[in-house]
Amino acid sequence: EVQLVQSGAEVKKPGESLKISCKGSGYSFIDYWIGWVRQMPGKGLEWMGIIYPGDSDTRYSPSFQGQVTISADKSISTAYLEWSSLKASDTAMYYCARRTARFYDSIGYYSFDYWGQGTLVTVSS
Amino acid sequence: DIQMTQSPSSLSASVGGRVIITCRASQSISGYLNWYVQKPGKAPKLLIYGASSLHSGVPSRFRGSGSGTDFTLTISSLQPQDFATYYCQQSNSFPETFGQGTKVEIK
Repeated sequence: EVQLVQSGAEVKKPGESLKISCKGSGYSFIDYWIGWVRQMPGKGLEWMGIIYPGDSDTRYSPSFQGQVTISADKSISTAYLEWSSLKASDTAMYYCARRTARFYDSIGYYSFDYWGQGTLVTVSS
Repeated sequence: DIQMTQSPSSLSASVGGRVIITCRASQSISGYLNWYVQKPGKAPKLLIYGASSLHSGVPSRFRGSGSGTDFTLTISSLQPQDFATYYCQQSNSFPETFGQGTKVEIK
């Protein structure tokens, strides 16, 4: 069974650093992209970026480039989302998700087919 | 970035009724369109990928269609468990942006 298990909720102060995790199991972790999605309170889904654990190829949304760092440790099947200096506006639920390709006529259609349970990050002084 | 615009933002429907949600891309995305459903306090779940292919285990009352810039999600015979928020997402190019969501409520 494919599972993505995220680390627990965090309460931090502005300016602090944070690294949250997403551990994959039930599939070959290095063969699928992992994505991170932000959901601010009462708002919609925002695509932050993705990483391919096999070679650490990483793509960021311009909105999040330079604001966060996405990484992965394939030896423990875990992806990470990291902040060096949190802001109150980083308060949100963060989801990781597995990005899967399905091929039809040699065309790959990508989607997030499995999701973690979410990690709530609260940044408040 | 490609902008994804869903309409309506919210709607009310009855159990057993039919719901149509539209999603428009700011430029052509061919068939690279996914639909997700999210219930309060839960992670999103994939419903449809490639504009019209049902994800494993998704009931056949869900149907996706469209290509280019205009897409629809149709839910026929709405069930109580279908009252939730629905999001479209394009996977044509990075960043793979989401629509703003459509909340389906009970009439």
